Amino acid sequence: GDSVTQMEGPVTLSEEAFLTINCTYTATGYPSLFWYVQYPGEGLQLLLKATKADDKGSNKGFEATYRKETTSFHLEKGSVQVSDSAVYFCALSRYGGSQGNLIFGKGTKLSVKP
Amino acid sequence: NAGVMQNPRHLVRRRGQEARLRCSPMKGHSHVYWYRQLPEEGLKFMVYLQKENIIDESGMPKERFSAEFPKEGPSILRIQQVVRGDSAAYFCASSPGEAGNTIYFGEGSWLTVV
Repeated sequence: GDSVTQMEGPVTLSEEAFLTINCTYTATGYPSLFWYVQYPGEGLQLLLKATKADDKGSNKGFEATYRKETTSFHLEKGSVQVSDSAVYFCALSRYGGSQGNLIFGKGTKLSVKP
Repeated sequence: NAGVMQNPRHLVRRRGQEARLRCSPMKGHSHVYWYRQLPEEGLKFMVYLQKENIIDESGMPKERFSAEFPKEGPSILRIQQVVRGDSAAYFCASSPGEAGNTIYFGEGSWLTVV
């Protein structure tokens, strides 16, 4: 069945370091792909999304490109800040399924040190 | 515009008791989704409801779990005769419609079964 695999954390970086969080997926059809972020004590917020191959989603300095050939949607940011410390979830919505029926990865905790 | 409101934020129940979790969607949203996050796991889809209708319950356990979204009032996720394995974070999300709409998550309800 459909699934999402993301790199295990925790990931600890110094401020201004480059961030990559890997995400790969298995799906039939053409899913939409998402990155959600969960700050401590809060709910999940949509960070960015891409709905078709080669689309690039971007927001707040984060970006991810939908790569159909490698079934990947890696999250990147050129220079992280302490305020980026959070748990990041990669997710897909099944092609033809309801938008809200998302399959999530297990999450990657990011800690950014000053 | 208030976000998705969930209550209680934390709930403790003894084995065999009932747990009721409430979710008030964002204003203007008529679609509600429930997810469960077990320890060390990603979020897993449980059920998708519109007002007075269950649209997709493919992720709901077959027994003890039920959900409703009445014409008036919040959506309710009910767990009867709770067991230790039900201990988890339960997230509600809402959207104004289905296809193509972003879903917005609440802050979650943490259920602990003792």
